[in-house]
Amino acid sequence: SAVISQKPSRDICQRGTSLTIQCQVDSQVTMMFWYRQQPGQSLTLIATANQGSEATYESGFVIDKFPISRPNLTFSTLTVSNMSPEDSSIYLCSVTDYWGDEQFFGPGTRLTVL
Amino acid sequence: TQLLEQSPQFLSIQEGENLTVYCNSSSVFSSLQWYRQEPGEGPVLLVTVVTGGEVKKLKRLTFQFGDARKDSSLHITAAQPGDTGLYLCAGASTGGGADGLTFGKGTHLIIQP
Repeated sequence: SAVISQKPSRDICQRGTSLTIQCQVDSQVTMMFWYRQQPGQSLTLIATANQGSEATYESGFVIDKFPISRPNLTFSTLTVSNMSPEDSSIYLCSVTDYWGDEQFFGPGTRLTVL
Repeated sequence: TQLLEQSPQFLSIQEGENLTVYCNSSSVFSSLQWYRQEPGEGPVLLVTVVTGGEVKKLKRLTFQFGDARKDSSLHITAAQPGDTGLYLCAGASTGGGADGLTFGKGTHLIIQP
């Protein structure tokens, strides 16, 4: 399975600022996704990061708030913009393997907004 | 919108007991995956079930996919403290990994020695 790393692993940010989270994979992957996990909750899909084109967002998530880049097949970034305390969550990136049936997750970025 | 109902949400049992976690939906999934997540880490994939009626075993864990591919169960035999964690089921609506996963709410499992 792919090895996925995320930076930063955690951060504490002030209200109104923005944070960019990086996701790096050790091999080329077709699909990359970004999820949010609010405290004590399960995972919710934010968007699919498409290589070379705009990300595809799920209902309730918009590009202005969560801009995503995917410049190549091994790297993606998620920015959380104009943060508020409600954005305090764990943000996780995931990738699908070559056959596409299995999805693997990075270690997550724990964000706290004061 | 596809939903996955996972139950129970919380379960605390003694070491050596057996338990079953259920994941149900009114929608058909092309595959269903079970993950285990520990505090401060990302979910770790345990198994993927693809075929209706499929049963997979991973040591003391048995996973089953319903015949209609709408539900799944995870059975743990002789639970051990090391099994403690958050168990998540997640369904894929299409094959080939084209879509993200729909997650159940998770089962917080505590195995007491």
